[in-house]
Amino acid sequence: DIQMTQSPSTLSASVGDRVTITCRASQSISYWLAWYQHKPGKAPKLLIYKASTLESGVPSRFSGSGSGTEFTLTISSLQPDDFATYHCQQYSSYWTFGQGTKVEIK
Amino acid sequence: EVQLVESGGGLVQPGGSLRLTCAASGFSVSSSSLSWVRQAPGKGLEWVSIIFGDGSTHYADSVKGRFTISRDNFKNTLYLQMNSLRPEDTAVYHCATDRVDGRVFTDHWGQGTLVTVAS
Repeated sequence: DIQMTQSPSTLSASVGDRVTITCRASQSISYWLAWYQHKPGKAPKLLIYKASTLESGVPSRFSGSGSGTEFTLTISSLQPDDFATYHCQQYSSYWTFGQGTKVEIK
Repeated sequence: EVQLVESGGGLVQPGGSLRLTCAASGFSVSSSSLSWVRQAPGKGLEWVSIIFGDGSTHYADSVKGRFTISRDNFKNTLYLQMNSLRPEDTAVYHCATDRVDGRVFTDHWGQGTLVTVAS
């Protein structure tokens, strides 16, 4: 099974900050990686797929990069609506998620 | 617009059964790949099961032999039959649509329904 490790588990930041979340795979997954935003009691929302392709309608302040085993999600300028938990998911072999990164207000 | 609404969660004793329902609108379940994903309290997301457009299914090892995914094309609904439930099955269960783009990944999600397995 492919394991996904996200870091950090919690991130404190302010509006306007540049935020970076990392996701590492236990083996190469090429670029078969997605990122989701999840708020309590809401449906998770797809942000990025194929490591760096922005989903339609997602603000351009979100970007993804990486391939192989190391990936990053970057929010260029954190907005009030962005405080949430972010999950990575590999879909190279079945589907596994990272443990999530909670972005909270500093 | 794709909408997914889960129902059927609740409190059940260990060893019991529950059937989750996911009412879909805005697309046809008959030709779609659909998944169940769960999140246990304080834990990350965990993929549970998938049913492809051709009807083939896959399950996580943790639920294989106990859970069954199915769909009703006329009702445009996805189901998850959960038997022999264990306390570690306690989680919010989300249904989701899957997109094929070289590989299969989850795109639209429902809000989820809470399943609690406890005596």
